[in-house]
Amino acid sequence: GEDVEQSLFLSVREGDSSVINCTYTDSSSTYLYWYKQEPGAGLQLLTYIFSNMDMKQDQRLTVLLNKKDKHLSLRIADTQTGDSAIYFCAAVSGGYNKLIFGAGTRLAVHP
Amino acid sequence: NAGVTQTPKFQVLKTGQSMTLQCAQDMNHEYMSWYRQDPGMGLRLIHYSVGAGITDQGEVPNGYNVSRSTTEDFPLRLLSAAPSQTSVYFCASSRQGAEDEQYFGPGTRLTVT
Repeated sequence: GEDVEQSLFLSVREGDSSVINCTYTDSSSTYLYWYKQEPGAGLQLLTYIFSNMDMKQDQRLTVLLNKKDKHLSLRIADTQTGDSAIYFCAAVSGGYNKLIFGAGTRLAVHP
Repeated sequence: NAGVTQTPKFQVLKTGQSMTLQCAQDMNHEYMSWYRQDPGMGLRLIHYSVGAGITDQGEVPNGYNVSRSTTEDFPLRLLSAAPSQTSVYFCASSRQGAEDEQYFGPGTRLTVT
């Protein structure tokens, strides 16, 4: 089945760019997702990328996909204190109707 | 629309007790799922359902039962609570399947002593 891994913590200065990385194992995953969890809340879809794309840009967010290495990244430009949250990478397990999440990366933004 | 609602928000159980976590959605979504969130382990899928009358196991189904008698409701039952089931539980729903945007409930924080 699918396995999704990501680092647990990232600390950045306000105004800098943040890059959160993720690796996955199932090369047949059609869509890959980034969800955001703010303190005390459920998750919300931030953005996603279709597996036949290399890059997707959405305002301050850029998603890069390297299918060969099964590596996904989320770049947040001009990171603000309001971006402090846990960011989860997720992929659908190929052939199964299951969405598998990584452990989540806690992003801390400091002045 | 209320979206996805979960009750209770908090619960403390003693080892061996049973209880049901409630989840309901008013978006007419076919797909519903339950996750548990533990520090350092992210969200792990417990059970999911692709429609009324159909359920299937996720990554960590042991100790939990589900049923889906209606489109709206997807309760999660703990048969005999254990301390290892202390966690935050999230219910989610989507239009048709795992590839669609998942809408999450606010979570239930469960402590088993």
